[in-house]
Amino acid sequence: NAGVTQTPKFQVLKTGQSMTLQCAQDMNHEYMSWYRQDPGMGLRLIHYSVGAGITDQGEVPNGYNVSRSTTEDFPLRLLSAAPSQTSVYFCASTEDRVYSPLHFGNGTRLTVT
Amino acid sequence: GQQVMQIPQYQHVQEGEDFTTYCNSSTTLSNIQWYKQRPGGHPVFLIQLVKSGEVKKQKRLTFQFGEAKKNSSLHITATQTTDVGTYFCAGRQGGSEKLVFGKGTKLTVNP
Repeated sequence: NAGVTQTPKFQVLKTGQSMTLQCAQDMNHEYMSWYRQDPGMGLRLIHYSVGAGITDQGEVPNGYNVSRSTTEDFPLRLLSAAPSQTSVYFCASTEDRVYSPLHFGNGTRLTVT
Repeated sequence: GQQVMQIPQYQHVQEGEDFTTYCNSSTTLSNIQWYKQRPGGHPVFLIQLVKSGEVKKQKRLTFQFGEAKKNSSLHITATQTTDVGTYFCAGRQGGSEKLVFGKGTKLTVNP
């Protein structure tokens, strides 16, 4: 099992560009989420999904879009990149909503210039 | 919204010294999880606490959940250089699907 796979590992964007961060898991987990990590800020929840076709906002959803058409995939879209979105992005999945641990991908380091 | 406060933000110790990080929530938590993130890596699950007053041990690591289920701690006895990293607590308010992370405690160990 590969677990949670994120691509790309690194990305540089110019302000105003759009892109999609990919996340896939092969553990048949219903619950998937996206976090961003900034120095001194810990991990902040962007969006999450409790199953295919269902998504909801986290703490910092502005500027990001998600969809969940399959159980395996949960892409994160940046609609118009801004320097404030420079961060490390982690995708995570878990077996159930409350009591199972999160399995994280290796992260995507995004720089917006 | 729900907040989980974690202190200290940084801790530097000599190898062999003990280390403790604390988490506090303004609301009762249904459970709390602890994660470790090595430099350049991703968070890795360590343990989960669910019951009031629960204490769990993993070798030199001791985890506690407060009686009111609003606070938790991680204590490392006799730190080693392999303990270096950032330790995060993460909690869920009762009934919530959202796992909220503390800001983490970055531990450095001087050999």
